[in-house]
Amino acid sequence: SQTIHQWPATLVQPVGSPLSLECTVEGTSNPNLYWYRQAAGRGLQLLFYSVGIGQISSEVPQNLSASRPQDRQFILSSKKLLLSDSGFYLCAWRGWRADSYNEQFFGPGTRLTVL
Amino acid sequence: GQQVMQIPQYQHVQEGEDFTTYCNSSTTLSNIQWYKQRPGGHPVFLIQLVKSGEVKKQKRLTFQFGEAKKNSSLHITATQTTDVGTYFCAGISGGYNKLIFGAGTRLAVHP
Repeated sequence: SQTIHQWPATLVQPVGSPLSLECTVEGTSNPNLYWYRQAAGRGLQLLFYSVGIGQISSEVPQNLSASRPQDRQFILSSKKLLLSDSGFYLCAWRGWRADSYNEQFFGPGTRLTVL
Repeated sequence: GQQVMQIPQYQHVQEGEDFTTYCNSSTTLSNIQWYKQRPGGHPVFLIQLVKSGEVKKQKRLTFQFGEAKKNSSLHITATQTTDVGTYFCAGISGGYNKLIFGAGTRLAVHP
């Protein structure tokens, strides 16, 4: 079966510090991978998606970046965090099973607080 | 760009009462998905609707897709405390299965 991991689970960082969040997927190959951000009490905003190694598409301009160094690894980074970067960061994957819906499977998320 | 609007933002019901959340898109959707996020948790897929006018049921949950494929609703009959959470609708935008999420409806159920 497929599983998705994210770490760390929670993170408190000072403004101006760097960021690296990691997401890995097990039990599937060549998944589409997505990074979302959810502000407190709000909906999900798509930040990046990737259809393959080294292929990253950005949805919104920001000081964040994403990388996919391996098929099942997706990394979200920042060189200098802003207060507005606080939120709940969710990684999701979508596989290519012919018998499935287009649903996305979400990881447990990382709660980031920038102080 | 494509927008998905969801109302109400918040609903508080007594256990046993019904609950409905509505979703409207600015453009015609190829399909619509519904997710549930429990407090402190991550979104979990509930269902996908594809056909115009489609109605699907999951126990006490009834999902509808509008005839014009621009709106959808989720109705819960006789809510229970286990229904607590935020319900999101999401429409697919463009390729690569990019989902555009509504802002969600947070449901509180009081015993």
